[in-house]
Amino acid sequence: AQSVTQPDIHITVSEGASLELRCNYSYGATPYLFWYVQSPGQGLQLLLKYFSGDTLVQGIKGFEAEFKRSQSSFNLRKPSVHWSDAAEYFCAVGANDYKLSFGAGTTVTVRA
Amino acid sequence: EAGVAQSPRYKIIEKRQSVAFWCNPISGHATLYWYQQILGQGPKLLIQFQNNGVVDDSQLPKDRFSAERLKGVDSTLKIQPAKLEDSAVYLCASSWGGFNTEAFFGQGTRLTVV
Repeated sequence: AQSVTQPDIHITVSEGASLELRCNYSYGATPYLFWYVQSPGQGLQLLLKYFSGDTLVQGIKGFEAEFKRSQSSFNLRKPSVHWSDAAEYFCAVGANDYKLSFGAGTTVTVRA
Repeated sequence: EAGVAQSPRYKIIEKRQSVAFWCNPISGHATLYWYQQILGQGPKLLIQFQNNGVVDDSQLPKDRFSAERLKGVDSTLKIQPAKLEDSAVYLCASSWGGFNTEAFFGQGTRLTVV
């Protein structure tokens, strides 16, 4: 069965600074990988996804993620953070049985 | 385009009572998911429907949880009787196809069992 680990529970970053959120997955075959964002009181919104091809994936809101098979990682990055990026971020992995497994999430706080 | 609608937004019940949640997916979406999100954890899939058939309910506690999707559109999730550990946000999501097509999530129902 697939699983996801997000090592950082909480990250604080200054507005305008860069952001990187870590995600490690466990799955025997090529995984389907996703990043979702959840703002307070809102549902989850898909930021980006990786199925195959170019390992650097561009998403919405200026986010990108890089798939590294050798490290079983799919880290999310943003060059310059805005106050509106404060939210909880979830990494998820899907498998051929169509189950989507989420990590525990990373809460991002943006300070002025 | 209207999003995934869920109701109620909040619910407080006593343990051993029953509760039901309702979900109206995006029109035309064949796949519907119910997730349970306990505070501090990621969402956990409870049940997945393809049209009105169940694709996966392996993590649904069937002794107390039930779900149905009549006519392949709206869905209800029921808990009877509720336990304290059922306190969570229940998220409904829908997609055009399987998970490899984008899943759109509702705002969720926050259940508190006291």
